[in-house]
Amino acid sequence: KAGVTQTPRYLIKTRGQQVTLSCSPISGHRSVSWYQQTPGQGLQFLFEYFSETQRNKGNFPGRFSGRQFSNSRSEMNVSTLELGDSALYLCASSFGGGVYEQYFGPGTRLTVT
Amino acid sequence: GESVGLHLPTLSVQEGDNSIINCAYSNSASDYFIWYKQESGKGPQFIIDIRSNMDKRQGQRVTVLLNKTVKHLSLQIAATQPGDSAVYFCAERDFNKFYFGSGTKLNVKP
Repeated sequence: KAGVTQTPRYLIKTRGQQVTLSCSPISGHRSVSWYQQTPGQGLQFLFEYFSETQRNKGNFPGRFSGRQFSNSRSEMNVSTLELGDSALYLCASSFGGGVYEQYFGPGTRLTVT
Repeated sequence: GESVGLHLPTLSVQEGDNSIINCAYSNSASDYFIWYKQESGKGPQFIIDIRSNMDKRQGQRVTVLLNKTVKHLSLQIAATQPGDSAVYFCAERDFNKFYFGSGTKLNVKP
């Protein structure tokens, strides 16, 4: 079974720009969560989508948004990029519905200059 | 369960020895826990999980112990191998959100 895939793997953007990251979950998984990982803050929860609805949200500003499509693929968007947004963005999928095992993709390394 | 800190604690073990990695979690209401392994440049890899109604769960070469009284989780790796060198995170699930520990770096000496 194919794992979680994320595209692109690496991205360099300029302050003020926006970016869209993509995540394809494991086949059959309906829940997709997004995390930001930095050396200073570790892994921090951004939001979770289940069956195209945002089910949970972390403590990030409104510049961070996401969506999920009917095939469970998810996108995350960050608008008006700041230098502090440089991080590894990780997507994790799980079956949902009481099955909580969560599997991560390789991440997208975003660098904001 | 909030992750903190830049400097990861490091555990150095000799190849073939057993490793024990500890994690303190913050919320007594957390009902599910996962241990992850993260190698440099890769996403976290699922190792083993445990629900709050269990005290112990065993996998292949790994055992997770849960002590709810003191909110402590441990990961035991038997016969540690060089390929086990990585950062290990625990995660707790609380109200449908996962919170991650800051991690422990395991260094396996040949």
